[in-house]
Amino acid sequence: AQSVAQPEDQVNVAEGNPLTVKCTYSVSGNPYLFWYVQYPNRGLQFLLKYITGDNLVKGSYGFEAEFNKSQTSFHLKKPSALVSDSALYFCAVRLFSGGYNKLIFGAGTRLAVHP
Amino acid sequence: NAGVTQTPKFQVLKTGQSMTLQCAQDMNHNSMYWYRQDPGMGLRLIYYSASEGTTDKGEVPNGYNVSRLNKREFSLRLESAAPSQTSVYFCASSEAGLGVAKNIQYFGAGTRLSVL
Repeated sequence: AQSVAQPEDQVNVAEGNPLTVKCTYSVSGNPYLFWYVQYPNRGLQFLLKYITGDNLVKGSYGFEAEFNKSQTSFHLKKPSALVSDSALYFCAVRLFSGGYNKLIFGAGTRLAVHP
Repeated sequence: NAGVTQTPKFQVLKTGQSMTLQCAQDMNHNSMYWYRQDPGMGLRLIYYSASEGTTDKGEVPNGYNVSRLNKREFSLRLESAAPSQTSVYFCASSEAGLGVAKNIQYFGAGTRLSVL
């Protein structure tokens, strides 16, 4: 079955430290991978995506993600965390089936950045 | 740009009542989606509409119906609400097709629904 896993329910980081939010996937074929962020009482916002090419993808708000095909991972990273980065982060994989594009989401990881 | 607009933002229903959640997008997107978000389960697709005039079931369609009223609007109806339908509902839209830029989904702010 095609799926996305986020193994950590919550990640705690001190402000200024690097952060990593983990994501692994299981899909057939080449994956199209996404990260979305959800701030309190808001909808999901697109952060970045991997389709093909360079394994290191840069996105919004200083975030980046590294695609690793051998480990089937797509971890989200940021060199220096901000308190304002505290939010819920979702990894997703795109499936194209029946003429439509659909996203399969992981369960989400709550990031808490402490001053 | 308003993007994707959902109404209402909050709703409390009694078991057995019906209601319709409204969604409209102003980005001229072909595809629209309804998700529900439950703690620890991420987002699950309820229904989607690839284009005006077509709708299809997602992962969890039971207890819901949808209408793609026109290209802009995609509504979700609960005919007889149940406590298991207490959730946060999100509408999203995207361009259809295989092009890279068209794979991004844009989300509304959500509707928090409680069924007592």
